[in-house]
Amino acid sequence: DQQVKQNSPSLSVQEGRISILNCDYTNSMFDYFLWYKKYPAEGPTFLISISSIKDKNEDGRFTVFLNKSAKHLSLHIVPSQPGDSAVYFCAASGRATGNQFYFGTGTSLTVIP
Amino acid sequence: DTEVTQTPKHLVMGMTNKKSLKCEQHMGHRAMYWYKQKAKKPPELMFVYSYEKLSINESVPSRFSPECPNSSLLNLHLHALQPEDSALYLCASSQRGQGITDTQYFGPGTRLTVL
Repeated sequence: DQQVKQNSPSLSVQEGRISILNCDYTNSMFDYFLWYKKYPAEGPTFLISISSIKDKNEDGRFTVFLNKSAKHLSLHIVPSQPGDSAVYFCAASGRATGNQFYFGTGTSLTVIP
Repeated sequence: DTEVTQTPKHLVMGMTNKKSLKCEQHMGHRAMYWYKQKAKKPPELMFVYSYEKLSINESVPSRFSPECPNSSLLNLHLHALQPEDSALYLCASSQRGQGITDTQYFGPGTRLTVL
């Protein structure tokens, strides 16, 4: 049972434009959400997180939006750079899930120079 | 400093071998995790240690045996593995562990190939 879903397996964006990566979840008990970036054969690198008490969190070029009623979060990267090309995983967690992370299936982002 | 280190980076082993993967963190984190990741798939949780005690074992075969000698170290002992166990093995740590939501920081992984 996939509780966290990323329905777009891949995304291509022109350098300098906005990249929007989407993530949906089904468990209303999740209260903490994260985005990780992963290069091939490397471990995921933490990018940004958001608590369910917020609807937006910014860190430089990265902004995460949370819509609790829709059980949807998105990651915006502005402006996109070629070095952003990687696989992006969203993850969800909650006190009720014992801090266990549930990962989405990933979206492969390609930023075209 | 959010560094988690893992050794070795690559490991090739036969089905009769015994080997160990090592993970270390010096961030004072009290929870450590082992994940397995296959290509184009999300990481799958294998084990969670919270305050040096095994708190979650996600029905992993006994040919994988975790060990947490102290709060900074995590080992994964491997014995009689199968070729389908070939994957990237990731270690992660987080500050507080079970029951509290916090961020997990991942190591670079060990690429395991079982012949």
